[in-house]
Amino acid sequence: DTAVSQTPKYLVTQMGNDKSIKCEQNLGHDTMYWYKQDSKKFLKIMFSYNNKELIINETVPNRFSPKSPDKAHLNLHINSLELGDSAVYFCASSRRGAPYEQYFGPGTRLTVT
Amino acid sequence: QQQVKQSPQSLIVQKGGISIINCAYENTAFDYFPWYQQFPGKGPALLIAIRPDVSEKKEGRFTISFNKSAKQFSLHIMDSQPGDSATYFCAAIPAGSSYKLIFGSGTRLLVRP
Repeated sequence: DTAVSQTPKYLVTQMGNDKSIKCEQNLGHDTMYWYKQDSKKFLKIMFSYNNKELIINETVPNRFSPKSPDKAHLNLHINSLELGDSAVYFCASSRRGAPYEQYFGPGTRLTVT
Repeated sequence: QQQVKQSPQSLIVQKGGISIINCAYENTAFDYFPWYQQFPGKGPALLIAIRPDVSEKKEGRFTISFNKSAKQFSLHIMDSQPGDSATYFCAAIPAGSSYKLIFGSGTRLLVRP
């Protein structure tokens, strides 16, 4: 009965590689998000999709590309990984009319070596 | 740039004491001010939220106070318990950008038994 799930939970890879993180929500929400949490715990929004449409695209390198095949899924693909990409990436979702109430997944800890 | 400034960075409180976390914002146009709680290894979870037309909101041991003129809002945890030990984030949703959560830098709370 997991609400927002992410895979994988841990991802260790080398610089230059391409990797993807998958996210699924079973809450019936219309909006999904990707956040990055750095080593100092600072949380910053990266992208947001509403009904599969990109509505927020913060200043994120082009190497990051979100894809939403349907309302319940939002994947994050990262090309040419760099050391600075090491962080915990959270997926979240929210229902219509309550964007302040976001449900977060358990996070994916990405380590780039 | 819209910002939410949070203090203190860390807080140690004895069991039964009151934990107080403060946030201030620099832009007057925000729609909602939620607080999130994050335990180690988990995603943030909504704790309580307040609208700018309300001065105080209480849910159990958690109270948000909002001072619109001072552009400040705070979280009070009454009768703090060791289980409250977590990182707390204040956040704000800019008006007209209702899908975007801007987070404070977080406060690591430790409640000693």
